[in-house]
Amino acid sequence: SAVISQKPSRDICQRGTSLTIQCQVDSQVTMMFWYRQQPGQSLTLIATANQGSEATYESGFVIDKFPISRPNLTFSTLTVSNMSPEDSSIYLCSVEDPGGGYGYTFGSGTRLTVV
Amino acid sequence: EDQVTQSPEALRLQEGESSSLNCSYTVSGLRGLFWYRQDPGKGPEFLFTLYSAGEEKEKERLKATLTKKESFLHITAPKPEDSATYLCAVQGDDYKLSFGAGTTVTVRA
Repeated sequence: SAVISQKPSRDICQRGTSLTIQCQVDSQVTMMFWYRQQPGQSLTLIATANQGSEATYESGFVIDKFPISRPNLTFSTLTVSNMSPEDSSIYLCSVEDPGGGYGYTFGSGTRLTVV
Repeated sequence: EDQVTQSPEALRLQEGESSSLNCSYTVSGLRGLFWYRQDPGKGPEFLFTLYSAGEEKEKERLKATLTKKESFLHITAPKPEDSATYLCAVQGDDYKLSFGAGTTVTVRA
């Protein structure tokens, strides 16, 4: 299965600032997915990032708040902009296993605390 | 809209005490039902994909089954290392994953 390196693993940020999360995959993948997992809740899809096109955002998420870059087939970034305490969550990237049979692989997550 | 409901929310087991977790779902055009394990501070770890009613898959002490409306994850003779949150997700004809809230399993030695 694909191996994903996600960083930072955690951060504590001041409100009003921005944080960029990086996701590196060890194989080329067409789509990369960004999720949010709020405390005690399950995963919610933020957006789908395709290389060479604008990311597709889910209802309730907007590009100005969560800009995404996808410069090549192995890398993507998610920025959490103008943060507030409500943005405190775990953010995860995910890819569909290119070899099949392993479903979707997830990064280890970024635990963000906004103070 | 696809919906996934997992029960119970939490499950405390004695080592060796077998039990089952439930995942009920509604989905437009099921393409797959996924089970994941998530340990604290980590991303979900893939366990199984089930594609059609009647399908079963096993891995060590875990066995997943699927019907047209629900899936079960059976844990046989659990050990403390099986303690984790187990997540269920469905993929519909829009190819997106919809996750349940998870069942947190604690196995006491």
